[in-house]
Amino acid sequence: AQKITQTQPGMFVQEKEAVTLDCTYDTSDPSYGLFWYKQPSSGEMIFLIYQGSYDQQNATEGRYSLNFQKARKSANLVISASQLGDSAMYFCAMTPQYTGRRALTFGSGTRLQVQP
Amino acid sequence: GAVVSQHPSRVICKSGTSVKIECRSLDFQATTMFWYRQFPKQSLMLMATSNEGSKATYEQGVEKDKFLINHASLTLSTLTVTSAHPEDSSFYICSAREGPNTEAFFGQGTRLTVV
Repeated sequence: AQKITQTQPGMFVQEKEAVTLDCTYDTSDPSYGLFWYKQPSSGEMIFLIYQGSYDQQNATEGRYSLNFQKARKSANLVISASQLGDSAMYFCAMTPQYTGRRALTFGSGTRLQVQP
Repeated sequence: GAVVSQHPSRVICKSGTSVKIECRSLDFQATTMFWYRQFPKQSLMLMATSNEGSKATYEQGVEKDKFLINHASLTLSTLTVTSAHPEDSSFYICSAREGPNTEAFFGQGTRLTVV
């Protein structure tokens, strides 16, 4: 079984500042993938970043980086230089690696509000 | 990149009627698709895993006779909400992955309102 925990229901950040969204996980799978998705008010799920459990380096995608600490079972998302358009729900998710037949398990989400 | 298309985006139906939601993978073959349900201000909850050419696998607590899933081709899965009731009103969203170690692509979602 897999479990994702996001302990921040809501976060505020000033425009142009960096923000960290927390995510911890638990799994019995030996290898797994970790994901972050953004969900604006329209409801669409936008993929942001992926980290494999055996990847040596932390993933980065533009302004997004994933602070992966395997021993602590955490996969925090860091958004640098926040923009007003970053205001949305953010979900951390995971799935066993090396198979496309297992669904993602999602955390409860964090609502980020970027203030001008 | 890979795209998943879901239709309709919004539907209002009368209590007791059935509603069909389509999920298509546009530029890749998806042997497996996933159906999620999301209530307001909550996370996505997996309802079922749709497998091409075989029966869907439902999560515990999801009524398979109420939420009929058909995955007749490698690019199309459908979810039919039968005899809908107001408590079935929710946001339904499908997902598919192109392969292992890749992200899941999501449809646009369907907001169902049962009146």
